[in-house]
Amino acid sequence: SQQGEEDPQALSIQEGENATMNCSYKTSINNLQWYRQNSGRGLVHLILIRSNEREKHSGRLRVTLDTSKKSSSLLITASRAADTASYFCATDAWSSASKIIFGSGTRLSIRP
Amino acid sequence: DVKVTQSSRYLVKRTGEKVFLECVQDMDHENMFWYRQDPGLGLRLIYFSYDVKMKEKGDIPEGYSVSREKKERFSLILESASTNQTSMYLCASSPLAGTGKQPQHFGDGTRLSIL
Repeated sequence: SQQGEEDPQALSIQEGENATMNCSYKTSINNLQWYRQNSGRGLVHLILIRSNEREKHSGRLRVTLDTSKKSSSLLITASRAADTASYFCATDAWSSASKIIFGSGTRLSIRP
Repeated sequence: DVKVTQSSRYLVKRTGEKVFLECVQDMDHENMFWYRQDPGLGLRLIYFSYDVKMKEKGDIPEGYSVSREKKERFSLILESASTNQTSMYLCASSPLAGTGKQPQHFGDGTRLSIL
């Protein structure tokens, strides 16, 4: 049961440009998280935004949340080669206190 | 820093074998999770555990079982491995949720091939 869907599935941009990834979900949430996965590695937590928050920043990352549209976006500014990775959104599940549901991810490639 | 360690990065087994994947975390987290990751399907939850000897089925528990005898260790067991269980397996842990869901911390994964 997939809750979050990322868009686009793949994104290729020039180093220095901004990258925007979107996530849409189906049911009400308490919070939404974004994770990064480098090739062949586990996921790393980037940022968590609660349902009563509209925007959150962490370094070069900016996350927005629109609960009326059931969508979130992750903006990476001034991209670097090291940002090349897959990015996943994850939303909590009302049925369980700890369980979260991941989307299928956006593959981001940064061209030098 | 939280460290989640999976016992093997790569594993090759034969159809019908019983396979054990081990995961250990060092941050005294209550919750532990097993996911499998397949291209185009994202991460799918197999099982999770919120306490020692406690477990809950995830979205795709068929063909798998788990064991949590100690708080720091969560094992995934493939009772009789089949080729459709060839996948990347990821273990994660998190503290108790509290008022909001806590971030999960992941191991580097085990790429399992069933021949």
